[in-house]
Amino acid sequence: DIQMTQSPSSLSASVGDRVTITCRASQSVSIFLNWYQQKPGKAPKLLIYAASSLQSGVPSRFSGSESGTDFTLTISSLQPEDFATYYCQQSYSNPWTFGQGTKVEI
Amino acid sequence: QVQLQESGPGLVKPSETLSLTCTVSGGSISSYYWSWIRHPPGKGLECIGYISYSGSTNYNPSLTSRATISVDTSKNQFSLKLRSVTAADTAVYYCARAHTTGDYFDYWGQGTLVTVSS
Repeated sequence: DIQMTQSPSSLSASVGDRVTITCRASQSVSIFLNWYQQKPGKAPKLLIYAASSLQSGVPSRFSGSESGTDFTLTISSLQPEDFATYYCQQSYSNPWTFGQGTKVEI
Repeated sequence: QVQLQESGPGLVKPSETLSLTCTVSGGSISSYYWSWIRHPPGKGLECIGYISYSGSTNYNPSLTSRATISVDTSKNQFSLKLRSVTAADTAVYYCARAHTTGDYFDYWGQGTLVTVSS
């Protein structure tokens, strides 16, 4: 299985901060890398697909980038509704696997 | 707006079969991959597998011997059966739609907690 390692596992930030979350794949996943946001008691919500494509309806403060097997999710200016847990997921190879999550706290 | 809703028992006894159904509304079950994902307490998200509208399946190798996913296009539903469950199968189970180009989950059900306990 392809292992997805996210860092950090948690972070504290303030409204207006620029936040960066990293996801490293144990082998190449091409650009088959997606990002999700999950709030307590809710299903994950797709933010970014194919490493850098913004899902329809997602605010433009969210962006994704790729460099080899390293992927980054950036929130340019953190908003109150962005406090949540973020997951990366590769869909290059079966089984599709998720990172362990990054919790963004106030 | 596509919506997915899981249904099924919230409590299953060890060694029995977990059965869940996902009902899709607001869109056709034709096209796309229809998926099951679970989230055990304190652990990470795990893809169980998916089925296409035509019935072809793909399972997580760790679960392939116990899991069966089926689709009923006439009812716009797809289902999961997981045999011989143990406490390790206790989790929130989600159904989700996966795009066939790019393979990302764009619509999810709200999730249902299934507890395996006697």
